[in-house]
Amino acid sequence: QQQVKQSPQSLIVQKGGISIINCAYENTAFDYFPWYQQFPGKGPALLIAIRPDVSEKKEGRFTISFNKSAKQFSLHIMDSQPGDSATYFCAASMANDYKLSFGAGTTVTVRA
Amino acid sequence: KAGVTQTPRYLIKTRGQQVTLSCSPISGHRSVSWYQQTPGQGLQFLFEYFSETQRNKGNFPGRFSGRQFSNSRSEMNVSTLELGDSALYLCASSFRGTNYGYTFGSGTRLTVV
Repeated sequence: QQQVKQSPQSLIVQKGGISIINCAYENTAFDYFPWYQQFPGKGPALLIAIRPDVSEKKEGRFTISFNKSAKQFSLHIMDSQPGDSATYFCAASMANDYKLSFGAGTTVTVRA
Repeated sequence: KAGVTQTPRYLIKTRGQQVTLSCSPISGHRSVSWYQQTPGQGLQFLFEYFSETQRNKGNFPGRFSGRQFSNSRSEMNVSTLELGDSALYLCASSFRGTNYGYTFGSGTRLTVV
C-alpha cells in the first residue's frame, strides 16, 4: 500500500517550460516532505524539502507548493533545462519513524 | 567531503546463495538506512540503524538482515537469494535521521540468476 501517490508517471517538456509533478498523502502524521532527483546509474539526490508549516519553498528553479488541508504537495521546475531530465521522487516521513515513504517516481524529459 | 560509498557496485549471484553488501556513510553521519529499488515496486524501505541500533524495519522477509558497526559503517545480508531479489540496493546516511535529509549512495546492483 503506497502511502504517497505521485503523478504523472512521465512527462515531456520543452526547454524553458515548466514541469509540474504532484503528490498526495493520507497520513497526517507526516511532517517532512523531500523531493529527490535520480539520474540513471546514480542514487537519488535530495533536491528540496518542506515541512507542513510552510506553504511554499523555493530554491533556484525548483519550488515546492504544499497544501496541508488537501494533503497534497507539488514540485515545479521552472525554465526546464535538458540537464533536468531525470526521475523525480516525492517522499514523506514522520518524526521517530526513521524511514522515507516514496512516491512511484516521475520521469521528466526536457526536449531541447 | 566523501559521499556515501557502497561496495560492490555490481554483483551477480545464483539462486539460493547469500550476499553481503557494504555501506560507508558520510563522515559524522550516524544514521544509515537501506532501500531496495525495483522497476515494479519502486523504492522500498528495508531498515534503519542509528548508533548500532535498528530503529525501524520494513516489510521484508527475515532473509533480509542488516547491522551497523561502531564506526557507523553498515552491512546488509540477504540469505537464500531468490530471483525477485534482483534490484538496486541503496544505502543512505544522515547526521541524525530521517527528517534531516538523507544522502544516498550510488547503490549496489544485484542480479540473481
